[in-house]
Amino acid sequence: ELKVEQNPLFLSMQEGKNYTIYCNYSTTSDRLYWYRQDPGKSLESLFVLLSNGAVKQEGRLMASLDTKARLSTLHITAAVHDLSATYFCAVDRGSQGNLIFGKGTKLSVKP
Amino acid sequence: GAVVSQHPSRVICKSGTSVKIECRSLDFQATTMFWYRQFPKQSLMLMATSNEGSKATYEQGVEKDKFLINHASLTLSTLTVTSAHPEDSSFYICSASTAGRNQPQHFGDGTRLSIL
Repeated sequence: ELKVEQNPLFLSMQEGKNYTIYCNYSTTSDRLYWYRQDPGKSLESLFVLLSNGAVKQEGRLMASLDTKARLSTLHITAAVHDLSATYFCAVDRGSQGNLIFGKGTKLSVKP
Repeated sequence: GAVVSQHPSRVICKSGTSVKIECRSLDFQATTMFWYRQFPKQSLMLMATSNEGSKATYEQGVEKDKFLINHASLTLSTLTVTSAHPEDSSFYICSASTAGRNQPQHFGDGTRLSIL
C-alpha cells in the first residue's frame, strides 16, 4: 500500500526566511505532484515532477524529486505572506493516475 | 488552461435527502475523472475513479451504492450522495485529466455538503 508522508504538518515562518517541506513515499513511483490549497478552496496545481532528479521552479517555490530516495522537497525562498496556504504532495499510484495525497503542510508566513 | 467546473459549490439539506454534484471539464475532454472527499483540516481521500462510458472504480471502504458515480460523456461526471446523513457532511472535490499518465489532474472548486 502506497503511503505518503509530509513534514512538517505545520510551519510558521517569518517573511524573508527560507524553509523546506519534505514528502516521503513508501513505494516506487516516478510521478509526484505538488498542490496548494487556500482555506475553503480547491487545489491549485504547482508542480508536476516526472523523473528522477527533476527540479522545477516557479517564483519563490522550487520542487525536486529523488525517486531513489522516494523523496520530494518543496523549498521556499524568502517567504512572503501570500504564500500562506496548505501545501499537499501527491504520488501517482498506478495506471489511471490515481493520486495518494500526503496530509498537507499548513504554512503560515508572518510579517 | 484547463478548467474544471463543479456545481453546486455549497449544499445544505436535511438528512435522508439525495444530493447530486456535477463536475464538468469546460475546455478539454476528460477521459478520466476522480472524486475526492476532504474532511476539515484533513487531506484529500480518493473515493473513486471514473472513465467515460465505464463503471467507476471505488476505493476500499467507499460504498458504491451510497455514492453513485456516472461519467456519461467526456465532459461530465456526476456524484450522487444517496440518502445523505450528517456523517456524509464533507468537502467533495472532483478532478479531471486527459488521456495519458503524464497529464496532471485539474481540480474543480469543490462542493461543501452539510447534512442537517
